[in-house]
Amino acid sequence: GDSVTQTEGLVTVTEGLPVMLNCTYQTAYSDVAFFWYVQYLNEAPKLLLRSSTDNKRTEHQGFHATLHKSSSSFHLQKSSVQLSDSALYYCALSDPGTQVVGQLTFGRGTRLQVYA
Amino acid sequence: DTTVKQNPRYKLARVGKPVNLICSQTMNHDTMYWYQKKPNQAPKLLLFYYDKILNREADTFEKFQSSRPNNSFCSLYIGSAGLEYSAMYLCASSRQRVNYAEQFFGPGTRLTVL
Repeated sequence: GDSVTQTEGLVTVTEGLPVMLNCTYQTAYSDVAFFWYVQYLNEAPKLLLRSSTDNKRTEHQGFHATLHKSSSSFHLQKSSVQLSDSALYYCALSDPGTQVVGQLTFGRGTRLQVYA
Repeated sequence: DTTVKQNPRYKLARVGKPVNLICSQTMNHDTMYWYQKKPNQAPKLLLFYYDKILNREADTFEKFQSSRPNNSFCSLYIGSAGLEYSAMYLCASSRQRVNYAEQFFGPGTRLTVL
């Protein structure tokens, strides 16, 4: 089956500096879609980014990610983090087999803590 | 309104007692999901309803039940809670006519079993 790996449980960054949250995956499918969800404290997870196109940069709310099928990665990046970016970030994938009913395979999540 | 609501937000249960969690959405989504989230683990899909059809994951088949009396509501039922059921339970919904549809999540119910 599919697997999604987020190696860092916690990433701490000083406000104004760049950050990259790692996401790698394993799947037998070539036609897959990837998602980044963000969960702020005491709130519901919500979609941040979505992509299914290889080597195409996707951006939203200052964050960006590029799906690289050659390296099985979909890292999330931001050039200058803000205090309000502190949250839990999940990477997830959907493959053609599970896409029919919208099933997602999640990583364990990376908590981003931004300090002043 | 893209809100998914979950009740209660916090639930305390005794070992061996039943637990019933409720989820609702008003987006007319055809699919509703239940996930279990434990610390430092990925959200684990327990089951989902596509319209009126219930699909349960093989490894949780006997532990969780669910009902969907109408399009808007979905419940998660634990017949006899064990300590291992302590977790955050997330409900989500989506519309499956859209390729790689976004899932809309509720804020979760934190279940503590004592």
